Amino acid sequence: EVQLVESGGGLVQPGGSLRLSCAASGFTFSSYSMNWVRQAPGKGLEWVSYISSSSSTIYYADSVKGRFTISRDNAKNSLYLQMNSLRAEDTAVYYCARNTRGLGFDYWGQGTLVTVSS
Amino acid sequence: QSVLTQPPSASGTPGQRVTISCSGSSSNIGSNYVYWYQQLPGTAPKLLIYRNNQRPSGVPDRFSGSKSGTSASLAISGLRSEDEADYYCAAWDDSLSGYWVFGGGTKLTVL
Repeated sequence: EVQLVESGGGLVQPGGSLRLSCAASGFTFSSYSMNWVRQAPGKGLEWVSYISSSSSTIYYADSVKGRFTISRDNAKNSLYLQMNSLRAEDTAVYYCARNTRGLGFDYWGQGTLVTVSS
Repeated sequence: QSVLTQPPSASGTPGQRVTISCSGSSSNIGSNYVYWYQQLPGTAPKLLIYRNNQRPSGVPDRFSGSKSGTSASLAISGLRSEDEADYYCAAWDDSLSGYWVFGGGTKLTVL
């Protein structure tokens, strides 16, 4: 069974940093590209970042470019999102989502809440 | 402001058929597949439709998708109370370096 479990969320002050993790199991992690998608409270879904299976291709949404860094460790079946210079508007539930070509985001984690507030 | 445009709300009574529209442009819906996601209250999104009109295993055939030009739609027939959820369309956008775009979401209420 495919499982994606996010962790690392919490309360952080504006300008601070946080590192999210996503532990994958139930599939060959190294064969799949992965994404982070976020959802602000009461709002819709917003794609944040994409990383290919070998980390050779990475994309970011303009709203996080230069502040967030996506990475993965295929040996540890883990996906990461390093978030720096956090702003109030980054407050959201962050989901990791598996990306299968032609299937879109076919599996999602349960999400981890990041709150940026003083 | 979302790149893909959806109506904020839709409603229907049990047994009815409802449709949710999703409008985009030539760089996203016009040239790439459309995906639909269902988000039940308090849960993570779930893939509902892929490649415009394909259903993952386990998704009832009451759900169907279609695409024409730069627009797409999700149809739900035989509406049931458990279909009450938020629905999002998504597509890859080829502009700039490429990125995923979502619609703003449609809250479906079963009356």
